[in-house]
Amino acid sequence: DAGITQSPRHKVTETGTPVTLRCHQTENHRYMYWYRQDPGHGLRLIHYSYGVKDTDKGEVSDGYSVSRSKTEDFLLTLESATSSQTSVYFCAISASGTEAFFGQGTRLTVV
Amino acid sequence: GENVEQHPSTLSVQEGDSAVIKCTYSDSASNYFPWYKQELGKGPQLIIDIRSNVGEKKDQRIAVTLNKTAKHFSLHITETQPEDSAVYFCAAFSNDYKLSFGAGTTVTVRA
Repeated sequence: DAGITQSPRHKVTETGTPVTLRCHQTENHRYMYWYRQDPGHGLRLIHYSYGVKDTDKGEVSDGYSVSRSKTEDFLLTLESATSSQTSVYFCAISASGTEAFFGQGTRLTVV
Repeated sequence: GENVEQHPSTLSVQEGDSAVIKCTYSDSASNYFPWYKQELGKGPQLIIDIRSNVGEKKDQRIAVTLNKTAKHFSLHITETQPEDSAVYFCAAFSNDYKLSFGAGTTVTVRA
């Protein structure tokens, strides 16, 4: 999968707890993205990064923050998890900002 | 922002027949249109893409067409096989380095 590793692959957490998901790439691509996938909504962009320490919001960024201190790592943090954040989260990378390659996903359940 | 609509949401075809999925987009500045295939439990996989300076592109049994004037693009799969059963997503890329996705089409190929 284009040198992308997401961790953890599965997580169950309690409402109100912070959660951090990690995306690690070995391709040295400039752009990295976090999407969430929910039935009937396709893939919706949460946050993206266009370089180290350069990030911007997507269409569903409320309740999420990101950090990119190294080219290879893009972290997604749910500051205080809610049941509405139960979803499958995908990381994607792109060299040019167009062709994007996805990781295997993280299934997060908030109980 | 960009809005991508995808139809139909489900499609059942007989093995050997053709499948067509259609998408429309709203931002006339969008210039890159990828298609992704997602199998159960996996991340989306880029299968074909088309740029705004091209009207049609083929890769073996799959083809994409783009009508910039009407702002719609389509995926055509010919001689469908059981392994074509999956969820397919269209997407549109505009100048802000974001991919906007359609809601997806579940394709089932009947043997």
